[in-house]
This record gives sequence, C-alpha cells and structure tokens, in this order.
Amino acid sequence: KAGVTQTPRYLIKTRGQQVTLSCSPISGHRSVSWYQQTPGQGLQFLFEYFSETQRNKGNFPGRFSGRQFSNSRSEMNVSTLELGDSALYLCASSLMASGILPSGANVLTFGAGSRLTVL
Amino acid sequence: DQQVKQNSPSLSVQEGRISILNCDYTNSMFDYFLWYKKYPAEGPTFLISISSIKDKNEDGRFTVFLNKSAKHLSLHIVPSQPGDSAVYFCAASAGGYSGAGSYQLTFGKGTKLSVIP
Repeated sequence: KAGVTQTPRYLIKTRGQQVTLSCSPISGHRSVSWYQQTPGQGLQFLFEYFSETQRNKGNFPGRFSGRQFSNSRSEMNVSTLELGDSALYLCASSLMASGILPSGANVLTFGAGSRLTVL
Repeated sequence: DQQVKQNSPSLSVQEGRISILNCDYTNSMFDYFLWYKKYPAEGPTFLISISSIKDKNEDGRFTVFLNKSAKHLSLHIVPSQPGDSAVYFCAASAGGYSGAGSYQLTFGKGTKLSVIP
C-alpha cells in the first residue's frame, strides 16, 4: 500500500511569491491534514479536509489556504511568502468512516514533507 | 498557549538502558494521546497511543503511562537501542468530545533522543 506522497520535496522561493504544495493520501483515506514544522514551534496544525470540505483550521493567517479534490488529493497554497514561512510542511491522512470518529486513536499517517525555503 | 509541553529538548541514554520521555498537557478535554517518532528527512511515524480511560499501554519495548490527575504522560523505551535515536513527539486530541469529528492533533515541540552505543 503506497504511503502519503508529498510533492515537491524541496523548493526555494523568494519573499512575495506564492507556493502550492501537493499531497496524495493513502488509498482509501478520506481525511487529509496539513501541519507546519519549524524548529522553534514544533508541529502546528494548519487545516484538515474531509470529503472536499475544510473541517477544521488552525491559527494561521489567510495567506495559507488549502483544498481537497474528489479523489481525496489535497493542495495547500501560501501566498505572499514571508521569511518566516520557511518550514517543513507535512501532510497526513487518516481513515474516517461516514464522517464519524471511530472509537480509537486518530492515527495520522504522515508524508515525508515538503521543505520550503523562503529567501 | 502551549497545550502540550515536552520540557526536555534532548535526552541521551546508554544503549540497553531505559529511556523515559515526558509530556505534560493542560487541556482537560484531551481524550487520546499519541507518540510519534521522527527521523531526519522523514515524516513522523506513529509509535503508540493511549486512551484517557487507561493508565498504561504497552507495545513491545514501548510503554506509555498516563496520569490524568497530573495531566502527565511518559513514554518508556526498554531496552533502548541506537536505532531509537530520533525526535519523539507527544500529541493529543480532543476529537472524541469536539463533536466536529476532527482529527486535529496538538503536538509538543519534541524531544531528541540519542541512544549511545
């Protein structure tokens, strides 16, 4: 079973540009979440999608946006990049049945991440 | 405010000894706790979890203990092996009570474990 695939793995942008990151979840997983990892803040929740709907959003400015497609693939976009946006962006997928949480740990399976450097 | 805290940024342990990684939380609504391990250039991988209705969960060399009254959990690795050297993240969720069916996890900042051969 293929894991969570994120592209690109590495990218360099300059301030003011925008970037789009892509995530393909594990086959059959309908929920996709995005996290930002920085050395000082650890992993911070960006947003979560289920069946093309944003289910939850973290405390990030509106420059950060995302979407999910009918095949559960997801993209996130960051506009007007700032130096502080340099981070590892992690996508995670999970299995959710009928939109109801199963009675167990909500185990997320993470991709390897997209390393964004803003110059 | 930081709802999940890992106060030790790093920990060094001799091979074969016990590694104990600690985590504190502040949100009483958290009902599930997880530990993830992360190697450089890889995404975090799930290690072990515990429900708030339990106080211990064991999986091979890994045991997680939960003390709800102290809002504290710990991960024990016995015996520690060099391959265990990684960053360990504690995470928590309140999805069971949120009603929103959200899988959002709140992570600590991680503890870098170094197991010395």
